[in-house]
Amino acid sequence: GENVGLHLPTLSVQEGDNSIINCAYSNSASDYFIWYKQESGKGPQFIIDIRSNMDKRQGQRVTVLLNKTVKHLSLQIAATQPGDSAVYFCAEISYSSASKIIFGSGTRLSIRP
Amino acid sequence: GAVVSQHPSRVICKSGTSVKIECRSLDFQATTMFWYRQFPKQSLMLMATSNEGSKATYEQGVEKDKFLINHASLTLSTLTVTSAHPEDSSFYICSAQIGTGGRDEKLFFGSGTQLSVL
Repeated sequence: GENVGLHLPTLSVQEGDNSIINCAYSNSASDYFIWYKQESGKGPQFIIDIRSNMDKRQGQRVTVLLNKTVKHLSLQIAATQPGDSAVYFCAEISYSSASKIIFGSGTRLSIRP
Repeated sequence: GAVVSQHPSRVICKSGTSVKIECRSLDFQATTMFWYRQFPKQSLMLMATSNEGSKATYEQGVEKDKFLINHASLTLSTLTVTSAHPEDSSFYICSAQIGTGGRDEKLFFGSGTQLSVL
């Protein structure tokens, strides 16, 4: 089929600063949310997840916030490093919909030295 | 974490030929695997759900005769792009599921296959 050349939104961050990547999800019935990191030419890599009964979860240098009222998900990366450069995707799963994972459109994170 | 091996990582083929991509779960059994397609600067689009021992479930708009999926064992699923054409050029990614599809499930992704059809 025809490819539509969409441009990924880009977030440019100074090395050492905090990054906040946002995502709006579509299904109010989604139960589970995941953030993935994808480097060029590679498959997605799991970063952090959160269940719908939570509004915040912290990992190592990363925090995910979930606002179910406005169907919004964010990923915060503390002290951004050059190795954080990648495309970040949010994903949602609804257990009532055959547990298929649906990916968001992605954000490219670019680090300025 | 669990490892999913996808092979080959890159393939170039002539138009009209068929290409097989393998997805293996190396240290766990996966009753369900998923196949995705990703065009440049776009997100991953689910193509089909592959269930061990049964026919794959294809997403709307994906031709099942074009993209043949076989999940003959609990550790291997294959995607064959038949009679490939340049518009089939894309990045194909598989994922394997641990768990039963409920709150205990985890997904692990292969490293992807870049298909270029000349």
